[in-house]
Amino acid sequence: ELKVEQNPLFLSMQEGKNYTIYCNYSTTSDRLYWYRQDPGKSLESLFVLLSNGAVKQEGRLMASLDTKARLSTLHITAAVHDLSATYFCAVDIEGWTGTRGGADGLTFGKGTHLIIQP
Amino acid sequence: NAGVTQTPKFQVLKTGQSMTLQCAQDMNHEYMSWYRQDPGMGLRLIHYSVGAGITDQGEVPNGYNVSRSTTEDFPLRLLSAAPSQTSVYFCASSYSRAGGPADTQYFGPGTRLTVL
Repeated sequence: ELKVEQNPLFLSMQEGKNYTIYCNYSTTSDRLYWYRQDPGKSLESLFVLLSNGAVKQEGRLMASLDTKARLSTLHITAAVHDLSATYFCAVDIEGWTGTRGGADGLTFGKGTHLIIQP
Repeated sequence: NAGVTQTPKFQVLKTGQSMTLQCAQDMNHEYMSWYRQDPGMGLRLIHYSVGAGITDQGEVPNGYNVSRSTTEDFPLRLLSAAPSQTSVYFCASSYSRAGGPADTQYFGPGTRLTVL
């Protein structure tokens, strides 16, 4: 069964601190995406990681991908309140023939609900 | 560009009723998909399409139908609504399935559906 596991699922942290969200997945893939969702809103694309060792940075967020370990991380540096949101990782398994029978689409983690307190 | 649009934004149905959720994109994207989001869970793929006239099932297709008569539109039909279909529905599109940077999926604003 294809699994995408994020941890932690809930994180409360103070402004100025650093933290990392982890995304593990259970099968081979070199296509991983990070999305942000604000309450009641849609998903906003943050990063697209397409190869082993890929690292992308935007402001205080940095994402990396280790396909051998089947692990992606989203690192937050010097957190600010505006980064409070739910963050999802999603793995793209094109043509995967597991329990979904070859469905082509994203498999999402359950999301990390991040609260950054002043 | 309007991007990915969805209508309606909110809908309340009674058990057994049918309805269609509309999704349209103006980016000439070949790939379109429907996801549902339930509390405490990530998004789950319902149906997807790799081009006009081509659709296929995702992870949770039961109770839903789709069609893709044009590149722009990808409606989702609930045949006989059930309380278990209460959810937020997102439509997404991307240029292709080739896996390049241009293939990031763009999500619509969502439809919040309640089935009583």
